[in-house]
Amino acid sequence: NAGVTQTPKFQVLKTGQSMTLQCAQDMNHNSMYWYRQDPGMGLRLIYYSASEGTTDKGEVPNGYNVSRLNKREFSLRLESAAPSQTSVYFCASSPKGNGLSTDTQYFGPGTRLTVL
Amino acid sequence: DAKTTQPPSMDCAEGRAANLPCNHSTISGNEYVYWYRQIHSQGPQYIIHGLKNNETNEMASLIITEDRKSSTLILPHATLRDTAVYYCIVRVLPNTGTASKLTFGTGTRLQVTL
Repeated sequence: NAGVTQTPKFQVLKTGQSMTLQCAQDMNHNSMYWYRQDPGMGLRLIYYSASEGTTDKGEVPNGYNVSRLNKREFSLRLESAAPSQTSVYFCASSPKGNGLSTDTQYFGPGTRLTVL
Repeated sequence: DAKTTQPPSMDCAEGRAANLPCNHSTISGNEYVYWYRQIHSQGPQYIIHGLKNNETNEMASLIITEDRKSSTLILPHATLRDTAVYYCIVRVLPNTGTASKLTFGTGTRLQVTL
């Protein structure tokens, strides 16, 4: 079991370039999430997907789009990168929220993105 | 979800117990207390969670006060590998079919020293 994997680990972009961050989980989880973490800050939720085929905005969705490709994969796209999007991006997944106290999020290792 | 307050930093000697406090005075009856930690340059790691009873697992113990307005995470024998930022999060478990969003604050930076 690899858990949650993210690619790439590092990326440098120029302002205006586009790119897609990939995330995959092999735990058969229904829900997936994208967070960003700026230096010295906590994580902020960008988008999430409660289940395959659904996506919803989080706290800071502007400048991003997401695709829940299938149950395993959830990608984050920057259409026109800006320096303000320089950050570390974390993907997470969790089992279906069924009201039991077993709903834990598991995080990937992160993608470090720099926009020049 | 209720707001939490944590000290920005703490030190602990290796081998001693690390006690990390969290205030959540506006917590509601159906909100759980979760703890995650983030070791430098890694993704957050789940530690423990609870509703009103004290909880213990292989990583830590969670002590929740009777009025549920505060809690303490206890690492019984801290090691250098426990140096990390610890996040206390209060949230309602989602209903079926919804997602369990987490709201992270800035946490407590625990430094374990020799």
